[in-house]
Amino acid sequence: DGGITQSPKYLFRKEGQNVTLSCEQNLNHDAMYWYRQDPGQGLRLIYYSQIVNDFQKGDIAEGYSVSREKKESFPLTVTSAQKNPTAFYLCASSILGAGETQYFGPGTRLLVL
Amino acid sequence: GQQVMQIPQYQHVQEGEDFTTYCNSSTTLSNIQWYKQRPGGHPVFLIQLVKSGEVKKQKRLTFQFGEAKKNSSLHITATQTTDVGTYFCAGQRSSASKIIFGSGTRLSIRP
Repeated sequence: DGGITQSPKYLFRKEGQNVTLSCEQNLNHDAMYWYRQDPGQGLRLIYYSQIVNDFQKGDIAEGYSVSREKKESFPLTVTSAQKNPTAFYLCASSILGAGETQYFGPGTRLLVL
Repeated sequence: GQQVMQIPQYQHVQEGEDFTTYCNSSTTLSNIQWYKQRPGGHPVFLIQLVKSGEVKKQKRLTFQFGEAKKNSSLHITATQTTDVGTYFCAGQRSSASKIIFGSGTRLSIRP
């Protein structure tokens, strides 16, 4: 699980503000993913990307946006359109396309007040 | 769409007792993976099963993949407090499809 960093660890924002979560990996992995985890719940896929400058919506993409301008970076923006943004956000990467072993970052806990 | 169901949702055991979590898919899987998430932490990859009927062991942990490749189980023998956490299975329908995570089983242990 090393080689993937997420910052910050905790993030507080006021309702109605956009916020961008950082995810960087130095594993030279092709694919990167964003998941949302609510307390006591499983992982829900927000967006994923298999190559630079390309990404696909996951199961709960509404209210989120991403970019993949560099292989190492896959930032997630939580927009004001996301009705319930408070959650634990996990970034992951894998060697090949979707489905390979996923290496997770430490996560960012977002609290919207 | 493909679904991966996991049971039980929670299990509370006495230290030293065994623990099992089960994972069932609505479709045949090409492989299944297991992850462990400690409280407050992030999921960490444990193992991947690929072959029908495959059984793999890691110390006190035994992983099985069903003959029909639609179900899997994780069994922990003689649980210890270090086993506390949530165990997730994740199935993949084909090498080209994305992984689908189960809802997880949260294991808590009475010392």
